[in-house]
Amino acid sequence: RKEVEQDPGPFNVPEGATVAFNCTYSNSASQSFFWYRQDCRKEPKLLMSVYSSGNEDGRFTAQLNRASQYISLLIRDSKLSDSATYLCVVDSGGGADGLTFGKGTHLIIQP
Amino acid sequence: SAVISQKPSRDICQRGTSLTIQCQVDSQVTMMFWYRQQPGQSLTLIATANQGSEATYESGFVIDKFPISRPNLTFSTLTVSNMSPEDSSIYLCSVLEGYGYTFGSGTRLTVV
Repeated sequence: RKEVEQDPGPFNVPEGATVAFNCTYSNSASQSFFWYRQDCRKEPKLLMSVYSSGNEDGRFTAQLNRASQYISLLIRDSKLSDSATYLCVVDSGGGADGLTFGKGTHLIIQP
Repeated sequence: SAVISQKPSRDICQRGTSLTIQCQVDSQVTMMFWYRQQPGQSLTLIATANQGSEATYESGFVIDKFPISRPNLTFSTLTVSNMSPEDSSIYLCSVLEGYGYTFGSGTRLTVV
């Protein structure tokens, strides 16, 4: 069974702090990896793809460790607006039936 | 990215009735999908909506319960039939574009 595991949190972090959370996946054949952000009562929106070499987009850094089968997301200088649920998504290929969503990590940035 | 209009945004329905959810995309897309997100859970794929042929359902989902239409490359509907309280969930349509998946705003369904 394809599985994606995330720490559900919630992570309560003061504004301006750095926060990191991980996601582990069980299917070693997984090909693509993503982080989605889902605000309360909203649809998921793509935050960033995760590349083997690691990638950075502003305050967000994503890393992939294929050997250990985990993905990480680092948020620097956190803002109140970063409060959301972050979904780890793993794509094993073959269309949407190859997508596996984690249950999400709840992040709360406190003033 | 594609803009997806999904409606209704929410509904409260009596058990035993059916609800049809519509998803309109502002561009032609080959692949459209329907997901369910139950309370406290992640997204689960219900089916892939195929244009001009029957939808492809995932394990645990059947056409009689979740009939899907895809009359063209910009539109799809999902019907939740003979509803029970266990069907209370958020239903989302999604399209695949070059860089990833885009989701509709979701339909929050409560069955009483």
